[in-house]
Amino acid sequence: TQLLEQSPQFLSIQEGENLTVYCNSSSVFSSLQWYRQEPGEGPVLLVTVVTGGEVKKLKRLTFQFGDARKDSSLHITAAQPGDTGLYLCAGGGNFNKFYFGSGTKLNVKP
Amino acid sequence: GAGVSQTPSNKVTEKGKYVELRCDPISGHTALYWYRQSLGQGPEFLIYFQGTGAADDSGLPNDRFFAVRPEGSVSTLKIQRTERGDSAVYLCASSPSGRFEQFFGPGTRLTVL
Repeated sequence: TQLLEQSPQFLSIQEGENLTVYCNSSSVFSSLQWYRQEPGEGPVLLVTVVTGGEVKKLKRLTFQFGDARKDSSLHITAAQPGDTGLYLCAGGGNFNKFYFGSGTKLNVKP
Repeated sequence: GAGVSQTPSNKVTEKGKYVELRCDPISGHTALYWYRQSLGQGPEFLIYFQGTGAADDSGLPNDRFFAVRPEGSVSTLKIQRTERGDSAVYLCASSPSGRFEQFFGPGTRLTVL
């Protein structure tokens, strides 16, 4: 059972374009994290959001946690080839268990 | 500082054999997690340690899987009587106490022939 649904599954865009990926659930989470994973490596944490409605910015990346703490979005402005990778969201209750989505595979073409 | 390390990076074994996968967390991190990631999927939770004890092992698929962390640092994931369906990348992550952030190792790719 996939508690977190990510969309789109695949995204191929040109350098300089903007994009948004979504992470949705019917469950409420205490925290939500976004990771980026490259082939042959473990996921690398990008951001953690904990408050409903919270917005965090990391350079060209903007993360939002839904008001009800069930969903989140990641927006990338002016995508670059270095942004290519698998983007994963993960929702947590307490600290003991985190549920990952199946990911959005992003390819940014030069 | 040193990140999370996992050994071996690759393990090929035959169906029915026993394997051990090792995780060295970041020094001082009290929480340790094991995940399994199949091709095209996100990581799937297996087990969580807080210190030496397994605080949540609800993700272990069956009793062939077992994990230990005897001194609250290094952890070993043990799989008995391996099956072809066990083939996946096994990821380990650690966290400082009271923090949500997880720091992942590079994973061990297990292939069961």
